Amino acid sequence: AQRVTQPEKLLSVFKGAPVELKCNYSYSGSPELFWYVQYSRQRLQLLLRHISRESIKGFTADLNKGETSFHLKKPFAQEEDSAMYYCALGAGGGADGLTFGKGTHLIIQP
Amino acid sequence: ETGVTQSPTHLIKTRGQQVTLRCSSQSGHNTVSWYQQALGQGPQFIFQYYREEENGRGNFPPRFSGLQFPNYSSELNVNALELDDSALYLCASSQGLAAGYEQYFGPGTRLTVT
Repeated sequence: AQRVTQPEKLLSVFKGAPVELKCNYSYSGSPELFWYVQYSRQRLQLLLRHISRESIKGFTADLNKGETSFHLKKPFAQEEDSAMYYCALGAGGGADGLTFGKGTHLIIQP
Repeated sequence: ETGVTQSPTHLIKTRGQQVTLRCSSQSGHNTVSWYQQALGQGPQFIFQYYREEENGRGNFPPRFSGLQFPNYSSELNVNALELDDSALYLCASSQGLAAGYEQYFGPGTRLTVT
């Protein structure tokens, strides 16, 4: 069975500082990995996925299969980045849905 | 383009009762997934429907059941409600089954069981 671990429940950084939200996964196959974000009073939405290798809102994430990690990074945090961030894993043909981590609450202090 | 909608927004039920939650998928999407999100936890996969058939199921008992209609909208039914069923129930739609498809989430239904 697959598992996603986000070790930090809460992460607080100052505006302009670098941000790294950690995500580790456990899965025997080839995973699809995502970061979803939930801003205050908004619904859960996709931030980025590893297959597209995009940079969204300045965030990037690299899949490291050796370390089974998919950490989310941004070099300079902005106040509008404050939100709940969830790492999620999709397996196989999709029939198992997404497996989410417990989430990290990111707070950007002015 | 209309996003995923869910109804009701919130409801309160008594232990042992039954509840039906509804979801309208985003236009053009044929796959609907349901998730349960307990307080302080990430969403947990309940099941998924593709073209009116259940395609996959998470670790939830049979009293959690669902339907998908020809217009791809969906229902989640929970029988014999228990206190632990209190949670936010999220519906998500996507263009297909594959794990790589983006899932578009609804705002959720907050269920409280007393």
